[in-house]
Amino acid sequence: DTAVSQTPKYLVTQMGNDKSIKCEQNLGHDTMYWYKQDSKKFLKIMFSYNNKELIINETVPNRFSPKSPDKAHLNLHINSLELGDSAVYFCASSHGGNTEAFFGQGTRLTVV
Amino acid sequence: AQSVTQLDSQVPVFEEAPVELRCNYSSSVSVYLFWYVQYPNQGLQLLLKYLSGSTLVKGINGFEAEFNKSQTSFHLRKPSVHISDTAEYFCAVSSPSFNKFYFGSGTKLNVKP
Repeated sequence: DTAVSQTPKYLVTQMGNDKSIKCEQNLGHDTMYWYKQDSKKFLKIMFSYNNKELIINETVPNRFSPKSPDKAHLNLHINSLELGDSAVYFCASSHGGNTEAFFGQGTRLTVV
Repeated sequence: AQSVTQLDSQVPVFEEAPVELRCNYSSSVSVYLFWYVQYPNQGLQLLLKYLSGSTLVKGINGFEAEFNKSQTSFHLRKPSVHISDTAEYFCAVSSPSFNKFYFGSGTKLNVKP
Protein backbone atom coordinates (compact mmCIF):
# COMPACT_ATOMS: atom_id res chain seq x y z
CA ASP A 1 0.00 0.00 0.00
CA THR A 2 1.64 3.19 -1.21
CA ALA A 3 1.15 6.04 1.27
CA VAL A 4 1.37 8.87 -1.28
CA SER A 5 0.91 7.89 -4.89
CA GLN A 6 1.10 10.15 -7.90
CA THR A 7 0.53 9.42 -11.57
CA PRO A 8 1.99 9.40 -14.07
CA LYS A 9 5.63 8.77 -13.13
CA TYR A 10 6.87 10.09 -16.47
CA LEU A 11 5.24 12.63 -18.75
CA VAL A 12 6.69 13.77 -22.07
CA THR A 13 4.69 16.36 -23.96
CA GLN A 14 4.99 19.16 -26.48
CA MET A 15 5.02 22.86 -25.75
CA GLY A 16 1.58 24.38 -25.59
CA ASN A 17 -0.17 21.21 -24.44
CA ASP A 18 -2.25 20.86 -21.26
CA LYS A 19 -1.51 18.06 -18.81
CA SER A 20 -2.56 16.86 -15.36
CA ILE A 21 -0.80 15.04 -12.55
CA LYS A 22 -2.84 13.20 -9.95
CA CYS A 23 -1.97 12.61 -6.30
CA GLU A 24 -3.65 10.54 -3.62
CA GLN A 25 -2.68 9.86 0.00
CA ASN A 26 -4.10 7.16 2.27
CA LEU A 27 -2.52 8.40 5.49
CA GLY A 28 -5.46 10.43 6.73
CA HIS A 29 -3.40 13.64 6.58
CA ASP A 30 -5.09 17.02 6.45
CA THR A 31 -2.40 18.88 4.52
CA MET A 32 -1.11 18.21 1.00
CA TYR A 33 1.57 19.92 -1.06
CA TRP A 34 3.05 20.23 -4.50
CA TYR A 35 6.79 20.76 -4.74
CA LYS A 36 8.87 21.35 -7.87
CA GLN A 37 12.41 19.98 -8.05
CA ASP A 38 14.57 21.60 -10.70
CA SER A 39 17.61 20.21 -12.48
CA LYS A 40 19.85 21.32 -9.59
CA LYS A 41 17.72 19.28 -7.17
CA PHE A 42 16.37 22.39 -5.43
CA LEU A 43 12.91 21.76 -3.91
CA LYS A 44 10.50 24.66 -4.17
CA ILE A 45 7.03 24.76 -2.65
CA MET A 46 4.30 25.48 -5.17
CA PHE A 47 1.04 24.94 -3.31
CA SER A 48 -0.15 23.89 0.11
CA TYR A 49 -3.70 22.74 0.88
CA ASN A 50 -5.23 22.19 4.30
CA ASN A 51 -8.58 20.40 4.49
CA LYS A 52 -9.16 21.07 0.78
CA GLU A 53 -8.49 24.78 1.14
CA LEU A 54 -5.61 26.55 -0.60
CA ILE A 55 -3.23 27.88 2.04
CA ILE A 56 -0.12 28.70 0.04
CA ASN A 57 0.32 29.72 -3.59
CA GLU A 58 3.99 30.49 -3.89
CA THR A 59 4.09 32.86 -6.88
CA VAL A 60 3.29 30.10 -9.31
CA PRO A 61 2.12 31.13 -12.83
CA ASN A 62 -1.63 31.03 -13.39
CA ARG A 63 -1.07 28.22 -15.89
CA PHE A 64 -0.74 25.93 -12.87
CA SER A 65 -4.05 25.15 -11.21
CA PRO A 66 -4.29 22.75 -8.29
CA LYS A 67 -7.55 21.08 -7.35
CA SER A 68 -8.40 19.22 -4.17
CA PRO A 69 -11.71 17.36 -4.51
CA ASP A 70 -11.28 15.90 -1.01
CA LYS A 71 -8.65 15.72 1.72
CA ALA A 72 -7.05 12.63 0.20
CA HIS A 73 -6.51 14.03 -3.28
CA LEU A 74 -4.59 16.96 -4.72
CA ASN A 75 -4.28 17.16 -8.50
CA LEU A 76 -2.22 19.57 -10.55
CA HIS A 77 -3.31 20.80 -13.96
CA ILE A 78 -0.90 22.70 -16.16
CA ASN A 79 -2.03 24.72 -19.18
CA SER A 80 0.06 25.82 -22.15
CA LEU A 81 3.17 23.96 -21.11
CA GLU A 82 6.52 25.69 -21.58
CA LEU A 83 10.06 24.34 -21.84
CA GLY A 84 10.85 25.80 -18.42
CA ASP A 85 8.16 23.66 -16.82
CA SER A 86 10.38 20.61 -17.31
CA ALA A 87 11.15 19.33 -13.80
CA VAL A 88 10.21 16.66 -11.29
CA TYR A 89 6.99 17.43 -9.45
CA PHE A 90 6.46 15.91 -6.02
CA CYS A 91 3.24 15.55 -4.12
CA ALA A 92 3.48 15.27 -0.33
CA SER A 93 1.21 15.15 2.70
CA SER A 94 1.48 15.68 6.45
CA HIS A 95 -0.51 16.45 9.60
CA GLY A 96 -0.09 20.19 9.19
CA GLY A 97 3.36 21.26 10.31
CA ASN A 98 3.33 18.88 13.27
CA THR A 99 4.91 15.83 11.69
CA GLU A 100 7.10 14.85 8.82
CA ALA A 101 5.93 15.06 5.23
CA PHE A 102 5.49 11.90 3.21
CA PHE A 103 6.41 12.19 -0.45
CA GLY A 104 5.21 10.52 -3.60
CA GLN A 105 7.66 9.03 -6.09
CA GLY A 106 7.56 12.12 -8.27
CA THR A 107 6.44 12.88 -11.82
CA ARG A 108 9.21 13.69 -14.25
CA LEU A 109 7.75 16.17 -16.71
CA THR A 110 9.65 16.79 -19.93
CA VAL A 111 8.39 19.47 -22.29
CA VAL A 112 9.80 19.27 -25.82
CA ALA B 1 11.99 34.70 7.41
CA GLN B 2 12.90 31.06 7.56
CA SER B 3 15.81 29.46 5.72
CA VAL B 4 17.83 26.28 5.65
CA THR B 5 21.48 26.20 4.61
CA GLN B 6 23.36 23.09 3.68
CA LEU B 7 26.94 24.18 3.58
CA ASP B 8 28.30 21.44 1.33
CA SER B 9 26.83 20.76 -2.08
CA GLN B 10 28.94 17.62 -2.50
CA VAL B 11 30.73 15.38 -0.01
CA PRO B 12 33.02 12.66 -1.36
CA VAL B 13 34.02 9.99 1.15
CA PHE B 14 35.55 6.53 1.06
CA GLU B 15 33.56 3.49 2.08
CA GLU B 16 33.65 2.71 5.84
CA ALA B 17 34.79 6.26 6.67
CA PRO B 18 32.69 8.51 8.92
CA VAL B 19 30.73 11.38 7.42
CA GLU B 20 29.01 14.55 8.60
CA LEU B 21 26.58 16.54 6.49
CA ARG B 22 26.01 20.04 7.80
CA CYS B 23 22.73 21.88 8.15
CA ASN B 24 22.02 25.28 9.65
CA TYR B 25 18.66 26.99 9.86
CA SER B 26 17.25 30.39 10.59
CA SER B 27 13.85 30.93 12.14
CA SER B 28 12.13 33.36 14.49
CA VAL B 29 10.01 30.56 15.98
CA SER B 30 10.66 27.07 17.29
CA VAL B 31 10.89 24.55 14.50
CA TYR B 32 10.85 20.86 13.84
CA LEU B 33 13.83 19.48 11.94
CA PHE B 34 14.15 16.68 9.43
CA TRP B 35 16.64 14.89 7.22
CA TYR B 36 15.48 13.24 4.02
CA VAL B 37 17.36 11.03 1.55
CA GLN B 38 16.68 10.88 -2.17
CA TYR B 39 18.07 8.00 -4.21
CA PRO B 40 18.29 8.46 -7.99
CA ASN B 41 14.90 8.70 -9.69
CA GLN B 42 13.04 8.24 -6.43
CA GLY B 43 11.05 10.34 -4.01
CA LEU B 44 12.22 11.67 -0.65
CA GLN B 45 12.43 9.24 2.24
CA LEU B 46 12.58 10.36 5.85
CA LEU B 47 15.86 9.51 7.58
CA LEU B 48 15.14 11.06 10.97
CA LYS B 49 13.33 13.88 12.69
CA TYR B 50 13.59 16.11 15.73
CA LEU B 51 10.27 17.25 17.19
CA SER B 52 11.17 17.59 20.88
CA GLY B 53 13.03 15.84 23.69
CA SER B 54 16.53 14.43 23.36
CA THR B 55 18.67 16.51 21.06
CA LEU B 56 20.40 13.40 19.68
CA VAL B 57 18.09 11.58 17.34
CA LYS B 58 18.71 8.27 15.64
CA GLY B 59 17.29 7.37 12.28
CA ILE B 60 17.28 4.62 9.74
CA ASN B 61 20.34 3.11 8.07
CA GLY B 62 22.63 3.99 11.00
CA PHE B 63 22.30 7.75 10.65
CA GLU B 64 21.96 10.14 13.58
CA ALA B 65 21.72 13.89 14.00
CA GLU B 66 22.14 16.35 16.83
CA PHE B 67 19.97 19.39 17.34
CA ASN B 68 21.95 22.35 18.64
CA LYS B 69 19.65 25.25 19.44
CA SER B 70 22.38 27.75 20.25
CA GLN B 71 24.17 27.02 16.97
CA THR B 72 20.87 26.61 15.08
CA SER B 73 22.30 23.46 13.54
CA PHE B 74 21.13 19.94 12.83
CA HIS B 75 24.10 18.07 11.42
CA LEU B 76 23.73 14.53 10.12
CA ARG B 77 26.34 11.89 10.92
CA LYS B 78 27.15 8.29 10.18
CA PRO B 79 30.17 6.54 11.70
CA SER B 80 30.80 4.23 8.73
CA VAL B 81 29.27 4.74 5.30
CA HIS B 82 28.48 2.17 2.63
CA ILE B 83 28.40 2.44 -1.13
CA SER B 84 24.62 2.21 -0.89
CA ASP B 85 24.52 5.51 1.04
CA THR B 86 25.37 7.37 -2.16
CA ALA B 87 22.41 9.71 -2.61
CA GLU B 88 21.20 13.29 -2.21
CA TYR B 89 20.45 14.38 1.35
CA PHE B 90 18.08 17.21 2.26
CA CYS B 91 17.66 19.04 5.54
CA ALA B 92 14.22 20.55 6.19
CA VAL B 93 12.36 22.57 8.82
CA SER B 94 8.70 23.03 9.56
CA SER B 95 6.45 24.52 12.19
CA PRO B 96 2.68 24.44 12.76
CA SER B 97 2.56 28.09 11.67
CA PHE B 98 4.48 27.62 8.40
CA ASN B 99 2.05 25.53 6.32
CA LYS B 100 5.02 24.21 4.37
CA PHE B 101 8.43 22.62 4.72
CA TYR B 102 11.54 24.64 3.99
CA PHE B 103 14.29 22.59 2.35
CA GLY B 104 18.00 23.14 2.05
CA SER B 105 19.64 22.94 -1.35
CA GLY B 106 20.78 19.37 -0.78
CA THR B 107 24.12 17.62 -0.28
CA LYS B 108 25.21 14.92 -2.66
CA LEU B 109 27.02 12.19 -0.75
CA ASN B 110 29.31 10.20 -3.00
CA VAL B 111 30.74 7.10 -1.35
CA LYS B 112 33.76 5.68 -3.14
CA PRO B 113 35.08 2.12 -2.84
